[in-house]
Amino acid sequence: SAVISQKPSRDICQRGTSLTIQCQVDSQVTMMFWYRQQPGQSLTLIATANQGSEATYESGFVIDKFPISRPNLTFSTLTVSNMSPEDSSIYLCSVEERRGAEQYFGPGTRLTVT
Amino acid sequence: EDQVTQSPEALRLQEGESSSLNCSYTVSGLRGLFWYRQDPGKGPEFLFTLYSAGEEKEKERLKATLTKKESFLHITAPKPEDSATYLCAVHESGGYQKVTFGTGTKLQVIP
Repeated sequence: SAVISQKPSRDICQRGTSLTIQCQVDSQVTMMFWYRQQPGQSLTLIATANQGSEATYESGFVIDKFPISRPNLTFSTLTVSNMSPEDSSIYLCSVEERRGAEQYFGPGTRLTVT
Repeated sequence: EDQVTQSPEALRLQEGESSSLNCSYTVSGLRGLFWYRQDPGKGPEFLFTLYSAGEEKEKERLKATLTKKESFLHITAPKPEDSATYLCAVHESGGYQKVTFGTGTKLQVIP
């Protein structure tokens, strides 16, 4: 199974600033995903990061707020822009080694916005 | 729209006391159902994939089963290290469909 790392593991940011989260995979994968998990809640899909094309965003999430890059098959970034305290959450990236199979998750980035 | 419901929300067991967690789902067609374990402060850890009714998968003290409308995660003689939140996720078939996660069951096993 793929091994996924994320940077940073946690951060405390001020309102109005932006944070970029990096996700690195140890093998080439087609499908990468970004999720948000708010305290005590389950996972909500933000977007699917497609290599070589624009990310596909879920309802309620927009590119201006959560720009995503996917420059190659092993790396992706998620930026949380113009942050507010409501953005405080755990952000997770995951990969799917083949369509319809299980996803493997990174350790998450715990973001606190003050 | 997909709906994935897990019950109970929380479960407290004595060490050795077997029990089951439930995941019920409503999709027009199932591509796959997944079980994950999540420890506090960590990302979900993959446990099982089930594809069709009647299928069963086992790993140590855990056994996952699937029917047309629900899945069970049976925990036999649990140990304190089995304490975690268990998440169920459903992937609907047909074109591009995202994976929908349930809200999880928080399991505590007391020595």
